[in-house]
Amino acid sequence: GENVEQHPSTLSVQEGDSAVIKCTYSDSASNYFPWYKQELGKRPQLIIDIRSNVGEKKDQRIAVTLNKTAKHFSLHITETQPEDSAVYFCAASLSGGYNKLIFGAGTRLAVHP
Amino acid sequence: DTGVSQNPRHKITKRGQNVTFRCDPISEHNRLYWYRQTLGQGPEFLTYFQNEAQLEKSRLLSDRFSAERPKGSFSTLEIQRTEQGDSAMYLCASSLDGREQYFGPGTRLTVT
Repeated sequence: GENVEQHPSTLSVQEGDSAVIKCTYSDSASNYFPWYKQELGKRPQLIIDIRSNVGEKKDQRIAVTLNKTAKHFSLHITETQPEDSAVYFCAASLSGGYNKLIFGAGTRLAVHP
Repeated sequence: DTGVSQNPRHKITKRGQNVTFRCDPISEHNRLYWYRQTLGQGPEFLTYFQNEAQLEKSRLLSDRFSAERPKGSFSTLEIQRTEQGDSAMYLCASSLDGREQYFGPGTRLTVT
């Protein structure tokens, strides 16, 4: 079945640095890849997503890249701020997101002032 | 608040008891999903509905779990004869026609 692996499990950066989180997926038919941010005790919040017909998408300080050949996608956060500290989850889905999301295990990002 | 809502937010129950959770999706969303999240892990898919039809159920889901969405609006997730291993956060999400999935705050279940 579909599997998503996420690395690293923890990431510590200084404020202003960049952070990169990487995910690989197993099912080459996956075509929708969202990223969620989850703060302690809160619901997962969608921060950005990308579909397989696009190689890169950017929204202010956040960008996602997709390499379909290698079956991996990455989240890039530039100019990190303390409020970026949270757990980030990548996910993959078949059928463009119409059905279930398969999540990675998460990356705990800590941004130190 | 027009987001996804879930009730109760917390539930403590004794092993062997039945529990039921409710999810109210964003009003125009026709798809509703249930996930389970344990500490330090990503959400794990349980089941999903398109309107009132249950379209997929995880193979990992025990027969003790059942979900309904009788009128295509709110949904309930019932766990019968709870076990300690059922302790987790149960998350509901909704979407419109397969677009972005928006999550509710979750129901935290503790089985003692």
